Amino acid sequence: KNEVEQSPQNLTAQEGEFITINCSYSVGISALHWLQQHPGGGIVSLFMLSSGKKKHGRLIATINIQEKHSSLHITASHPRDSAVYICAVAGGTGNQFYFGTGTSLTVIP
Amino acid sequence: NAGVMQNPRHLVRRRGQEARLRCSPMKGHSHVYWYRQLPEEGLKFMVYLQKENIIDESGMPKERFSAEFPKEGPSILRIQQVVRGDSAAYFCASSLTGPDTQYFGPGTRLTVL
Repeated sequence: KNEVEQSPQNLTAQEGEFITINCSYSVGISALHWLQQHPGGGIVSLFMLSSGKKKHGRLIATINIQEKHSSLHITASHPRDSAVYICAVAGGTGNQFYFGTGTSLTVIP
Repeated sequence: NAGVMQNPRHLVRRRGQEARLRCSPMKGHSHVYWYRQLPEEGLKFMVYLQKENIIDESGMPKERFSAEFPKEGPSILRIQQVVRGDSAAYFCASSLTGPDTQYFGPGTRLTVL
């Protein structure tokens, strides 16, 4: 069993739809990260969370430490949001990172 | 302020050769992480370094792989006697004060023929 599980694996949405990607983890963590990987391969760090909720533009990330669960929401999705979204957790000591396998999002105009 | 730089972006090696991958962190960042992304697989942690120190190398294969981050110059991931299974994208990331927000480099895509 992976330390980090993401769902769904693949997601296709119409432009404008509200999107939710889920992440569950099984290890004690010091922080959770959401990353975005574009088709060209580049990786961008979107959020780092240790509690609560963060918002950046149309992106919202939440984390529930007790339930070991995080969600990434995209409001008013746009084709340029098409990418792979990766959940990563920093283990209890903070040194070790565990990655989900990613959610491939395609937003259709 | 330039971002994280990696070079080369693409590297082709024949089996048995050595591969050297370089990572220059963002200015002022003294924490460097290396990750490997195998084809059709997710990212895997390899090693975490600070200047002149290996902090955690628990994700690094025990043989043929080594990493360093000298006092001056880039961090280097070295793979000796490469095999086809080493073909992957290798990403480095840097951070200012430990495993907080990391900034990723563009990756080096290694192909072993």
